[in-house]
Amino acid sequence: KNEVEQSPQNLTAQEGEFITINCSYSVGISALHWLQQHPGGGIVSLFMLSSGKKKHGRLIATINIQEKHSSLHITASHPRDSAVYICAVANFGNEKLTFGTGTRLTIIP
Amino acid sequence: DGGITQSPKYLFRKEGQNVTLSCEQNLNHDAMYWYRQDPGQGLRLIYYSQIVNDFQKGDIAEGYSVSREKKESFPLTVTSAQKNPTAFYLCASSIDLSAGGLNEQFFGPGTRLTVL
Repeated sequence: KNEVEQSPQNLTAQEGEFITINCSYSVGISALHWLQQHPGGGIVSLFMLSSGKKKHGRLIATINIQEKHSSLHITASHPRDSAVYICAVANFGNEKLTFGTGTRLTIIP
Repeated sequence: DGGITQSPKYLFRKEGQNVTLSCEQNLNHDAMYWYRQDPGQGLRLIYYSQIVNDFQKGDIAEGYSVSREKKESFPLTVTSAQKNPTAFYLCASSIDLSAGGLNEQFFGPGTRLTVL
């Protein structure tokens, strides 16, 4: 079973700051997902990565397969980015995802 | 608008009662999932279904049951056998069940179940 660890668990920053959230996993994977959960509970998929880097607006996700590590970056952070960010991984040949416990991000105006 | 709906948003039940949580999707997705979320823990898979009339146990299926009679619907029943049912329950779907988790999962808004 893959172990997924996220850091930090909680992060508070000022509006405009560059944010980095990290995800490490223990066993080689075929795909890694970044998800965003807002205070109401609903979850939105942000990225799915199997290699390299993806960008969407102010969000950037990178993955280093050799180091078993992924990062989610937010540029020019805004209070509406306040949410819990969740990393999830899928092992080769397995359709199920293993989820991290999430990073709670709070952006102060 | 395509999406996933879950109802109700909040649900209260007395200990010993069964309760059914609704999940409906109009995305024409084959695969559907039920997850449980507890404070300080990652989402855990309860059941998943690849196709109508077929479903598989996830990591924590004890005390739960599901059915998949229609492609659009995947209701979850929390039975009295579930020892600690108070939690936030999330339903999700994906276009199909991809080995290697290569398909994006779309999530519903969730149902918060409280056992009194």
